[in-house]
Amino acid sequence: DAGVIQSPRHEVTEMGQEVTLRCKPISGHNSLFWYRQTMMRGLELLIYFNNNVPIDDSGMPEDRFSAKMPNASFSTLKIQPSEPRDSAVYFCASSGKEASYNEQFFGPGTRLTVL
Amino acid sequence: AQSVTQLDSQVPVFEEAPVELRCNYSSSVSVYLFWYVQYPNQGLQLLLKYLSGSTLVKGINGFEAEFNKSQTSFHLRKPSVHISDTAEYFCAVIVFGNEKLTFGTGTRLTIIP
Repeated sequence: DAGVIQSPRHEVTEMGQEVTLRCKPISGHNSLFWYRQTMMRGLELLIYFNNNVPIDDSGMPEDRFSAKMPNASFSTLKIQPSEPRDSAVYFCASSGKEASYNEQFFGPGTRLTVL
Repeated sequence: AQSVTQLDSQVPVFEEAPVELRCNYSSSVSVYLFWYVQYPNQGLQLLLKYLSGSTLVKGINGFEAEFNKSQTSFHLRKPSVHISDTAEYFCAVIVFGNEKLTFGTGTRLTIIP
């Protein structure tokens, strides 16, 4: 199994630009999570989907952030416009309700730097 | 709402010495408990989990943790650490029937040769 795939692994952009982060969950998993990790705030859950439907987006910082899951194998997290304070590592994770109930499998992350 | 406290932000340990990383949680309902490890520049990987049954849980890489309901703790232990254990360790909880993981702030384990 390929695991959770995220792209790009690194992104450097200038303030005001649009940024799109991509995630492919593990095949067969029905829940997908977006996290942000910073030194100051640690790991924060931004949003999660179940069966492609957003369930809880209370962690999304503001309207500049949006996330979509058009099908079971793909999700995007978009920041528009980006700001320097958005610099962080963004993780995608997926889980499925099998024997490993509620275990979340994490991708390698996207390191975003906004100049 | 549930919360997780990892009191030690950094723990230095000599190689081959034992280590304990502390985790306490707070919740008004039953929870599942997890320890994740994050190696430098990588994503998080599950070390072990407690769902039910025996309170002593064994995980990968020689780690184990004990669930103590009365003390609301889930401390992580390893009898003899190696250089390769250098990483950040996160304790996390999920409330029964929910899917949202609540993470602690992490403990950075540094192994001294």
